[in-house]
Amino acid sequence: KQEVTQIPAALSVPEGENLVLNCSFTDSAIYNLQWFRQDPGKGLTSLLLIQSSQREQTSGRLNASLDKSSGRSTLYIAASQPGDSATYLCAVRSGGGADGLTFGKGTHLIIQP
Amino acid sequence: DAGITQSPRHKVTETGTPVTLRCHQTENHRYMYWYRQDPGHGLRLIHYSYGVKDTDKGEVSDGYSVSRSKTEDFLLTLESATSSQTSVYFCAITGTGGDGYTFGSGTRLTVV
Repeated sequence: KQEVTQIPAALSVPEGENLVLNCSFTDSAIYNLQWFRQDPGKGLTSLLLIQSSQREQTSGRLNASLDKSSGRSTLYIAASQPGDSATYLCAVRSGGGADGLTFGKGTHLIIQP
Repeated sequence: DAGITQSPRHKVTETGTPVTLRCHQTENHRYMYWYRQDPGHGLRLIHYSYGVKDTDKGEVSDGYSVSRSKTEDFLLTLESATSSQTSVYFCAITGTGGDGYTFGSGTRLTVV
């Protein structure tokens, strides 16, 4: 059974810092990996999708990497801003069919102004 | 997200009453999912559908049933609501292959 772990569970940093959120998964036979952002009381917003054949994806100040063989992904946020404060969720899709996503429990990020 | 809507957004119901949550998509995606989100447990899969009238159980399916009579609609029913089913429920959709998942805005259900 796939298990996804996110470290740290919470992180508070001053504005402007570059930071890294970590995600690990137990079964390396994944189809793709998706990073989401969730604001309090809101739904999930997709940030980046990395296919199993890819090493990284970038969107603006966000960069996600994938090392499938070691079961790890990182989300790099450059020049953090208070608006980046949210919970970040990592989710793994293990198959290309109906398989649902397996989620980590998230990293709660606070960017101090 | 504009391609997927959930209703209602909020609901308070009494223990023992039936409750139906609706998910509607305009993307014509084959796969639809119901998740629940609880503090300390994260997001857990309840049921999913891989086509009209084709559904299967997820990790936490006890006490829930689903139906999909049209591609665009996926219903989640709590036959007799219990306090342990107080949660935030999310619907999600995806296509085949390398597609990502898109989530609805959620339904906050309180069972009193």
